[in-house]
Amino acid sequence: GQSLEQPSEVTAVEGAIVQINCTYQTSGFYGLSWYQQHDGGAPTFLSYNALDGLEETGRFSSFLSRSDSYGYLLLQELQMKDSASYFCAVRDLGDKIIFGKGTRLHILP
Amino acid sequence: GAVVSQHPSRVICKSGTSVKIECRSLDFQATTMFWYRQFPKQSLMLMATSNEGSKATYEQGVEKDKFLINHASLTLSTLTVTSAHPEDSSFYICSAPTGTSGRNEQFFGPGTRLTVL
Repeated sequence: GQSLEQPSEVTAVEGAIVQINCTYQTSGFYGLSWYQQHDGGAPTFLSYNALDGLEETGRFSSFLSRSDSYGYLLLQELQMKDSASYFCAVRDLGDKIIFGKGTRLHILP
Repeated sequence: GAVVSQHPSRVICKSGTSVKIECRSLDFQATTMFWYRQFPKQSLMLMATSNEGSKATYEQGVEKDKFLINHASLTLSTLTVTSAHPEDSSFYICSAPTGTSGRNEQFFGPGTRLTVL
């Protein structure tokens, strides 16, 4: 089976940098994804790592270390609109996406 | 980009009634769609995989006779909550893989908020 662990909540200040960690256990590995979800909304895809290293997309970056079964999402120049829940996710056989419990990011002005 | 729609966005029903939720891929074909349920402040829990032309695959603990899934075409999957009860009140979201570039990317519908009185 698959399981993912991430912190339940993180608080940061507007303009700062925050890192959200994720560790996973999988029977097979097909990459680690990150999704953002605002309250009442649907998840939106942020990033995907299949290989070790850092992937950068604007203010958001995602890192993966397969040997450590670990990844993180890095958000830079935080804005108030970044207040949301962030989920790491892994793909199972057949394209199923299994989500972590989510990290609620609170941003202080 | 790919768009997935859901209808209705919100529904309130009486206990014991059935509710049908539609999930459509608007500009791409989806042989597979996924149905999730999310309770307040919790994660998305995969309920079932909807397969066009064949039976849905349900996750452990999900009652297939209660949550009926029909994948009628390459762009439409429906979830019917039968004999709904207050504990079925939740946010139901569908998704479809984009099928491109192996990015594990899925597009999610906007979700359906179900309230059972």
